Amino acid sequence: DIVMTQSPDSLAVSLGERATINCKSSQSVLYTSTNKNYLAWYQQKPGQPPKVLIYWASTRESGVPDRFSGSGSGTDFTLTISSLQAEDVAVYYCQQYYTTPPTFGQGTKVEIK
Amino acid sequence: EEQLVESGGGLVQPGGSLRLSCAASGFTFSRYWMSWVRQAPGKGLEWVANIKQDGSEKDYVDSVKGRFTISRDNAKNSLYLQMNSLRAEDTAVYYCARGGYCTGGACYFDPWGQGTLVTVSS
Repeated sequence: DIVMTQSPDSLAVSLGERATINCKSSQSVLYTSTNKNYLAWYQQKPGQPPKVLIYWASTRESGVPDRFSGSGSGTDFTLTISSLQAEDVAVYYCQQYYTTPPTFGQGTKVEIK
Repeated sequence: EEQLVESGGGLVQPGGSLRLSCAASGFTFSRYWMSWVRQAPGKGLEWVANIKQDGSEKDYVDSVKGRFTISRDNAKNSLYLQMNSLRAEDTAVYYCARGGYCTGGACYFDPWGQGTLVTVSS
């Protein structure tokens, strides 16, 4: 199975500042024939189900604010919140869908400093 | 509006059984892979099982193989998870989720239902 490792486990960022979450996969999730990275990011607010923010590592889901961006390729990926808002307090997960079983990172909790 | 609504969770004793259901609406259910994903209290996300559009392919996480069975009824726009021989470690919120893009059954998930809590305890 592909192991997804996120860092840090938690971070506290001031309102309006940048938040950066890293995700590393134990093997590449770049499918060379399509040149796509099979990597998604989710946001889970307390008491709610996860919601997809980003897929193909960098494609923003419809309706997701443009302060959220994804980058990276192969085994190393980053989710960036360019200007943290109060409503962004949540746990964020990365997930690979390159191969079965699909696997998630352990989650990163984002709080306000 | 695309919607998934789970039901069937509850308290069950170790070794017992439970059947979860997921009612889909707002999209053509038969066109999508569907999955169950669970989240133990205070823990992260774990994919449990998935099923192809026509039910011809199914897959499970190793820890539930031989105990859980996923199925679907496209005529009723419904997904199911039959859970037998339940263990304490199966305690979790179980989410129904639709596959976004999928490769051989590995999908990203969008949308998700609100979840149903399964508690396995004596």
